[in-house]
Amino acid sequence: DAGVTQSPTHLIKTRGQQVTLRCSPKSGHDTVSWYQQALGQGPQFIFQYYEEEERQRGNFPDRFSGHQFPNYSSELNVNALLLGDSALYLCASSPRGFYGYTFGSGTRLTVV
Amino acid sequence: AQRVTQPEKLLSVFKGAPVELKCNYSYSGSPELFWYVQYSRQRLQLLLRHISRESIKGFTADLNKGETSFHLKKPFAQEEDSAMYYCALSGNSGYSTLTFGKGTMLLVSP
Repeated sequence: DAGVTQSPTHLIKTRGQQVTLRCSPKSGHDTVSWYQQALGQGPQFIFQYYEEEERQRGNFPDRFSGHQFPNYSSELNVNALLLGDSALYLCASSPRGFYGYTFGSGTRLTVV
Repeated sequence: AQRVTQPEKLLSVFKGAPVELKCNYSYSGSPELFWYVQYSRQRLQLLLRHISRESIKGFTADLNKGETSFHLKKPFAQEEDSAMYYCALSGNSGYSTLTFGKGTMLLVSP
């Protein structure tokens, strides 16, 4: 079992551009959450998906959107990138109704 | 609002010394508390959760509801314990999300 896989591992974008990050959950997990981890900070919750719908959302602007596919994989989209969006983006998956999350290695996004 | 506070950015100890990583929280209700660890160049992984009351790698954490604390302790630190430690909480629903503290870097010197 590969666990949670995220792609790409690193990404450099220019201000104003759009980016899509991808996540495949651990086998048997149907719930996917996304977190943003800025340098020197703990991960901050962006949103959570299950049954292909956004179920919960943290304090992030509408520029951050997502999607979950029937195979439970998920995408995180960020529009109109700002320098402050530079961070490590973590995907975490869990089985429905279970507290334990498995994290991916993250995508390091740099906005220049 | 729920919040997790880890007052120390860095904790440096010698091998064999006791370790206590502090965590305080605020939450209206009964939260689930966790400790996550991130070793160098590895992904974030669950170390322990208060509900399971188990000891992992010699670490224990006791939930003190009166002091709203969930400090992580180990009686004798090892060099391989050097890592970033994050305290986190969630609500007591299986769909609850995690709120993390800013983390404490533990450095264990020989």
